[in-house]
Amino acid sequence: GENVGLHLPTLSVQEGDNSIINCAYSNSASDYFIWYKQESGKGPQFIIDIRSNMDKRQGQRVTVLLNKTVKHLSLQIAATQPGDSAVYFCAEMGGYSTLTFGKGTMLLVSP
Amino acid sequence: EPEVTQTPSHQVTQMGQEVILRCVPISNHLYFYWYRQILGQKVEFLVSFYNNEISEKSEIFDDQFSVERPDGSNFTLKIRSTKLEDSAMYFCASSEDRATEAFFGQGTRLTVV
Repeated sequence: GENVGLHLPTLSVQEGDNSIINCAYSNSASDYFIWYKQESGKGPQFIIDIRSNMDKRQGQRVTVLLNKTVKHLSLQIAATQPGDSAVYFCAEMGGYSTLTFGKGTMLLVSP
Repeated sequence: EPEVTQTPSHQVTQMGQEVILRCVPISNHLYFYWYRQILGQKVEFLVSFYNNEISEKSEIFDDQFSVERPDGSNFTLKIRSTKLEDSAMYFCASSEDRATEAFFGQGTRLTVV
């Protein structure tokens, strides 16, 4: 069936490095995508979103890239900091209002 | 900054008991959601609610589940007869519109014993 999945379950980087977290989706009807950050014991926290009519969107230290041809979404974090350590989920909206979450990637940032 | 608030933060209940999880969405938001996350797994959609009715629900949201917006501020999830496998974090979320940023609460950890 349709699903959203992540390639790497854990990503370890050094402080100051750039991080790239990837996500594959299979529902070609999805028209809205969000990246969430989840710290232990907390709810998902919005990072950045992108609509299907765009291929790139930038925020503060974060960039989301959308490649609809290969159904791929990525989150780039510039100058990664220890406070960025968390689980990152991509989510897609393919139904009317339903967000389908991916499995999550743990980002570990070493000082 | 406005936020979604959920109560209680932790609920322990015996199997077969009814539980009600409470949420106060952000005040100007029109779409409300419940999601759950079993420990170590991904966040799963349960139900969305708009204009005082369910707009979408997942297979998880069976007859044991119901949602209600009893007044202008609260949004509740009721599980009629809890099962062990209902143990999870339950997240409430709200958004201004469809396909706009959904803000999540801190969650209620439900433990069924």
